[in-house]
Amino acid sequence: GAVVSQHPSWVICKSGTSVKIECRSLDFQATTMFWYRQFPKQSLMLMATSNEGSKATYEQGVEKDKFLINHASLTLSTLTVTSAHPEDSSFYICSARDIGGGNQPQHFGDGTRLSIL
Amino acid sequence: DQQVKQNSPSLSVQEGRISILNCDYTNSMFDYFLWYKKYPAEGPTFLISISSIKDKNEDGRFTVFLNKSAKHLSLHIVPSQPGDSAVYFCAASASILTGGGNKLTFGTGTQLKVEL
Repeated sequence: GAVVSQHPSWVICKSGTSVKIECRSLDFQATTMFWYRQFPKQSLMLMATSNEGSKATYEQGVEKDKFLINHASLTLSTLTVTSAHPEDSSFYICSARDIGGGNQPQHFGDGTRLSIL
Repeated sequence: DQQVKQNSPSLSVQEGRISILNCDYTNSMFDYFLWYKKYPAEGPTFLISISSIKDKNEDGRFTVFLNKSAKHLSLHIVPSQPGDSAVYFCAASASILTGGGNKLTFGTGTQLKVEL
């Protein structure tokens, strides 16, 4: 089945550090990948849509300069949390949809737990 | 504005019985609906989906029912097994043709516990 790998799974770092999270589709190609954030006991909130070869589309209220997205190939998207602060601590999850398009489900990575001290 | 709602935060069912998880939505542009299962510290795993042109889709122990007039869908798991214990998320999307871009909007999840 479709596999999405997300790395790292857990990051603890000091305030002011920038953190890069990678999302890879291992057995399919994805022109579109999605980045979500989940707070404890809440739903997954879409942050941005990552488009291969073009700029990401950010949801309302998400700072594009804070959360940098790069989708350089059909199998890799990265999210960089720049100058992270404690309020950025959260569970970040990526998903990817097969290039086949249409009504195909998004497949999710296992998430990255980010803790900013 | 919560466009996808799962009003039951938790559900407890005995092993072998049917589990019924419910989901309501408000956006009439949604035309594709999915159920995901999630364990702690893991990403959601796709379970089953349904297009708005259908009212039922079945895959093994899992069946999803869609009632468009009521803007309601449900996931039936039968028979329920202890390994089904997890958080279940309902999600909905609107196709590119309707301006939705296939982005998923998630409900808040229902914690299912299947007891022996």
